[in-house]
Amino acid sequence: AQSVTQLDSQVPVFEEAPVELRCNYSSSVSVYLFWYVQYPNQGLQLLLKYLSGSTLVESINGFEAEFNKSQTSFHLRKPSVHISDTAEYFCAVSSTGNQFYFGTGTSLTVIP
Amino acid sequence: EAGVAQSPRYKIIEKRQSVAFWCNPISGHATLYWYQQILGQGPKLLIQFQNNGVVDDSQLPKDRFSAERLKGVDSTLKIQPAKLEDSAVYLCASSWELGTYNEQFFGPGTRLTVL
Repeated sequence: AQSVTQLDSQVPVFEEAPVELRCNYSSSVSVYLFWYVQYPNQGLQLLLKYLSGSTLVESINGFEAEFNKSQTSFHLRKPSVHISDTAEYFCAVSSTGNQFYFGTGTSLTVIP
Repeated sequence: EAGVAQSPRYKIIEKRQSVAFWCNPISGHATLYWYQQILGQGPKLLIQFQNNGVVDDSQLPKDRFSAERLKGVDSTLKIQPAKLEDSAVYLCASSWELGTYNEQFFGPGTRLTVL
């Protein structure tokens, strides 16, 4: 069975500082990897995903994540955060089967 | 385009009572998912439909939970009877087609409190 570990439950960071949200997964087969974001009082939204090809994937709002197969990681990064990035971030993994596994989430708080 | 709709948004019941949640996916989306999100945890997939057929319900507690999508559009999730540990947010999501590589679009969720 697959699993996802998000090592940090809460990450406070000052505005315009860089941030990294960590995600590790366990799987013995090829995987698809996702980051979803949940803004306050809103539903989950896809931020970015890795299916195949280039190991570095980017979102339209400046986030990026790199698939590292040897370390089984898919960490999310942003070089300079904004107040509007305050949200809950969920890493998720699936394989060629139908199951989809979410991590426990990381609450990012951007401090003015 | 309208998003995934869910109702009710909040529900409070006593243990051993029954409850039902409704989901209307994005028009044209063939695949529908129900998730359970307990406080402090990530969403857990309960059941997945492709049109009106069940693709995967391996994590659905079938002794008390049931779900249907009779006409391949709207779906209902029922709990009968509810237990205290069923307190959670129930999320509905939909995608264009089967395959976990497809983007899932989530509704706002129904927050259930069992007393």
